[in-house]
Amino acid sequence: KQEVTQIPAALSVPEGENLVLNCSFTDSAIYNLQWFRQDPGKGLTSLLLIQSSQREQTSGRLNASLDKSSGRSTLYIAASQPGDSATYLCAVNSGNTPLVFGKGTRLSVIA
Amino acid sequence: DTAVSQTPKYLVTQMGNDKSIKCEQNLGHDTMYWYKQDSKKFLKIMFSYNNKELIINETVPNRFSPKSPDKAHLNLHINSLELGDSAVYFCASSQWGNNYGYTFGSGTRLTVV
Repeated sequence: KQEVTQIPAALSVPEGENLVLNCSFTDSAIYNLQWFRQDPGKGLTSLLLIQSSQREQTSGRLNASLDKSSGRSTLYIAASQPGDSATYLCAVNSGNTPLVFGKGTRLSVIA
Repeated sequence: DTAVSQTPKYLVTQMGNDKSIKCEQNLGHDTMYWYKQDSKKFLKIMFSYNNKELIINETVPNRFSPKSPDKAHLNLHINSLELGDSAVYFCASSQWGNNYGYTFGSGTRLTVV
């Protein structure tokens, strides 16, 4: 059964820092890996989707990498801003199984 | 032109009542899901429907009954609500077998008092 772990659970950084969020999964036979952002009391916003054949995806200041063989993904945020403060969720799905989520990393960027 | 819309956004009800949450997607996807986010913010799959057919039913109490009248709609009916049912319920959709990921609704916050 797929399990997704996100480290750290919480992170506080000063504005302007580059940071890395980590995600690991137990079953490397994944179909997709998706990173989401969730603001307090809000829904999930998809940030980046990495298909199993891809190694990374970039969107603006965000870069996500995928190493299927080792069961790991990282989300790199460059030049962090207070508006980046949110919970970041990593999720994977394997063929016919639905997305399985990690417990998230709660990020605070201090001005 | 919301992609996945859920109603209501908030629902406060007493224990023992029956309530429904509705979800609609206009993305042309053929698969829809219900997820539950508990008080610790952990998201867990409840049900999955593909082309109106139930394909995944996690260990959810029988009091929860999903219904998909067509590919664009997936509703969730909950009987005899309990305090422990308080959570945020998210609807999502995807296209079976492709790599475009999931799209989520904004959630329904259910509070049972």
